[in-house]
Amino acid sequence: AQSVTQPDIHITVSEGASLELRCNYSYGATPYLFWYVQSPGQGLQLLLKYFSGDTLVQGIKGFEAEFKRSQSSFNLRKPSVHWSDAAEYFCAVVPSGGYQKVTFGTGTKLQVIP
Amino acid sequence: DAGVIQSPRHEVTEMGQEVTLRCKPISGHDYLFWYRQTMMRGLELLIYFNNNVPIDDSGMPEDRFSAKMPNASFSTLKIQPSEPRDSAVYFCASSLDQNYGYTFGSGTRLTVV
Repeated sequence: AQSVTQPDIHITVSEGASLELRCNYSYGATPYLFWYVQSPGQGLQLLLKYFSGDTLVQGIKGFEAEFKRSQSSFNLRKPSVHWSDAAEYFCAVVPSGGYQKVTFGTGTKLQVIP
Repeated sequence: DAGVIQSPRHEVTEMGQEVTLRCKPISGHDYLFWYRQTMMRGLELLIYFNNNVPIDDSGMPEDRFSAKMPNASFSTLKIQPSEPRDSAVYFCASSLDQNYGYTFGSGTRLTVV
C-alpha cells in the first residue's frame, strides 16, 4: 500500500541553524511530492512541489527540497532558520497519472529556540 | 484573491445539535476538498468535489455527515446529529487540479460538548 513517512515527530533547532526535515514514501512509481506548512490556528500552506525534472526544487520562504529516487525521499531543507519558521510541516504524496488521493504524512513540529 | 474562506472559525455546540460548516473556494478552482484534522488521526479526507459534483465520499465517517456544493462558489459540510467525537478542526481546500497542490482555508474548530 502507498504510504508517506515523516520519521521525526518533533525537531528543535536554534535560530540561524540549518534545517532538514525528512520524508520517505512508498509507491510503485515516482509520485508527485509536496511540502506544506501549518502555523498554529491556520490552514496548510503549500511550500513547494515536485513533479519531474530538476530534483532540487525551490519553494517559498527560503525552503528547498531534494527528490532522491534511490532513497524514495523528498527532504525539506533551509540553510538558516528564523523564529517565524516554527510550525508544523507536512509532506504529501500523490501517485502520478490520473486522479489519486493525496496522502499526507503525520507531520513534523518544528521548534525554534533563540 | 481572498483565498479559501471558511466560516465559522469556531463552533461550540451541544451533542445532538446540527452543525453546518461553510466554505467559499477560490474562484476558478474546479476541485474542492473537505478534511478533518485531529491529534489522533491527523488529516483525513472526508469528501471531494469536481465541478460541483461529489466524486469520492468514502472518507465521510457515517450517515450523520453530509456535504453539498450547490454552485462553484459555495460548499457546506453538515453534521446531524453532532457527537463529542466529531470535535476536530475541519478544513476546506480548493485546487485548479488535484495534482497541483491545494489552497487551504483557515479551518473551523468544532467542539461538541
